[in-house]
Amino acid sequence: ILNVEQSPQSLHVQEGDSTNFTCSFPSSNFYALHWYRWETAKSPEALFVMTLNGDEKKKGRISATLNTKEGYSYLYIKGSQPEDSATYLCAFQSNDYKLSFGAGTTVTVRA
Amino acid sequence: EPEVTQTPSHQVTQMGQEVILRCVPISNHLYFYWYRQILGQKVEFLVSFYNNEISEKSEIFDDQFSVERPDGSNFTLKIRSTKLEDSAMYFCASSRLQGDQPQHFGDGTRLSIL
Repeated sequence: ILNVEQSPQSLHVQEGDSTNFTCSFPSSNFYALHWYRWETAKSPEALFVMTLNGDEKKKGRISATLNTKEGYSYLYIKGSQPEDSATYLCAFQSNDYKLSFGAGTTVTVRA
Repeated sequence: EPEVTQTPSHQVTQMGQEVILRCVPISNHLYFYWYRQILGQKVEFLVSFYNNEISEKSEIFDDQFSVERPDGSNFTLKIRSTKLEDSAMYFCASSRLQGDQPQHFGDGTRLSIL
């Protein structure tokens, strides 16, 4: 069982504030790191798939960075809006292409 | 936008009974997956499927489980003799290619074993 950890487990953000949270994963057998956004009662939605050390990806106000040598990724939300409220999952993809998920960070944006 | 659809949304079954969960992946996708999430736990990989064969499976996916693509559109997960501990949310996903491709998830089937 691969150890994929996300912290914090949950956080509350004031509307308009920026926030970030982490995903840590094994630094061996790395193939890719996935980020998903999961709203209650909906399906997980793919945000990013990252493969290269130092990679940075952006989608609107959400961005992510990747450090494969030390085994962590940050997800940033700039200027949080209520619609950003969701659970954000990271998933480590190993060389056999299997995904191992973290437990998620639940973000609540207060208006 | 095309999406993965799963039926039923909720299945209640007596322990020991067989259950079949159904999924319709996105039509031009070639790789299909099943995951499950037991309440309060992480999402866990069960199996991946390509070209009518299992390509990878986890330790969870024992002889009680099987997958099938019975026609050109459906992808099914069968649990032969359900146990209480099979109660979970089951997610189907698909991707166009393998590797560093996003997987597209369905809304899940909540399986409750009584």
